[in-house]
Amino acid sequence: DTEVTQTPKHLVMGMTNKKSLKCEQHMGHRAMYWYKQKAKKPPELMFVYSYEKLSINESVPSRFSPECPNSSLLNLHLHALQPEDSALYLCASSQAQTGREQYFGPGTRLTVT
Amino acid sequence: QKEVEQNSGPLSVPEGAIASLNCTYSDRGSQSFFWYRQYSGKSPELIMFIYSNGDKEDGRFTAQLNKASQYVSLLIRDSQPSDSATYLCAVNNRVAGANNLFFGTGTRLTVIP
Repeated sequence: DTEVTQTPKHLVMGMTNKKSLKCEQHMGHRAMYWYKQKAKKPPELMFVYSYEKLSINESVPSRFSPECPNSSLLNLHLHALQPEDSALYLCASSQAQTGREQYFGPGTRLTVT
Repeated sequence: QKEVEQNSGPLSVPEGAIASLNCTYSDRGSQSFFWYRQYSGKSPELIMFIYSNGDKEDGRFTAQLNKASQYVSLLIRDSQPSDSATYLCAVNNRVAGANNLFFGTGTRLTVIP
């Protein structure tokens, strides 16, 4: 089973709203990732959690706040977003060892109005 | 700056032909290489990974790796219209104890019935 689930599938939010994206995997993976993908562009890494600890933060604005409550769950808290933050937000997971395959969830399509 | 380069295409092949997708990377220390397929509006789907020089076959797909030339390719035999998608080449580098995927910009493949 290589399933990563994400909720919600679609999200429309205003610039003053607070919302959260959720990601879950039950593959026993100990590394989880958030990516942002704009149209016709490749995914861009935002955050990496390894063994529930934040190990990479790719200079992402503080209006994005990640959280890893346990080894199966990953959240991305959103606050005071800008219209240019509208994108497909992808969660992925992998074994934590070097070079392991990353499996993506279906993504959350976010629109900021 | 770690770079992964792909011909953006579009690449058009007739149904039943072999589609050849190419990728070069700049970091000679890269160890793991991946091909993802992404349909429009969907998330990337892992279709092949390769860690050693040479060829790796899985069904209609063959990945080829040449670390000396810093080159990785994907061959799709007996191409089908359902193979029409964007193919993303990704290269893994270990950063801060976690796996960091660097993506190429993708090659758009169209298989003509």
